[in-house]
Amino acid sequence: NAGVTQTPKFQVLKTGQSMTLQCAQDMNHNSMYWYRQDPGMGLRLIYYSASEGTTDKGEVPNGYNVSRLNKREFSLRLESAAPSQTSVYFCASRDGNNSPLHFGNGTRLTVT
Amino acid sequence: QQQVKQSPQSLIVQKGGISIINCAYENTAFDYFPWYQQFPGKGPALLIAIRPDVSEKKEGRFTISFNKSAKQFSLHIMDSQPGDSATYFCAASKSYGQNFVFGPGTRLSVLP
Repeated sequence: NAGVTQTPKFQVLKTGQSMTLQCAQDMNHNSMYWYRQDPGMGLRLIYYSASEGTTDKGEVPNGYNVSRLNKREFSLRLESAAPSQTSVYFCASRDGNNSPLHFGNGTRLTVT
Repeated sequence: QQQVKQSPQSLIVQKGGISIINCAYENTAFDYFPWYQQFPGKGPALLIAIRPDVSEKKEGRFTISFNKSAKQFSLHIMDSQPGDSATYFCAASKSYGQNFVFGPGTRLSVLP
């Protein structure tokens, strides 16, 4: 049981480059999330998808776009990377309300 | 009102000792309080969670104490072990809400 799988594990981008972070879950969860983790700031929500076909902004959405491709997959796109987007990105999913989040192992992104 | 405060930022405990991490919240609409444990290079994983209808929940060596009137909750790790060395995050959410608000994290080191 793989749970939540994120690719790639590491990525280095130059300022202005674009890339897509991939996330897939095999737990048949309805809701999926993208968080970023920065030292001393905990986890901050970028975007979420409450169910297939819907997406909504979280706390820090600027500079990002998302696509809920199907029930399993939720991707995060950086159109024009900036050094401020250097962070560790976590995808998470959960079964529904009143249930815990299940996290992937993260993508460490560095923008130079 | 969305913030969750967490202390201490870091904690060093001897093997066999008690580790205590404290969190405080402002939003009285929060009604689900999980703790997550994160090892280096991994995503956060649910450790234990509590709802405000009880004042304490215990699972093995881990106990959450909850004080609804003070809007505070804490994690106690009894008989701390070197394998408990990790970063711990408290979080809060509303039932039927989509977002979890995370504390900034506590780095726990248990010395052998």
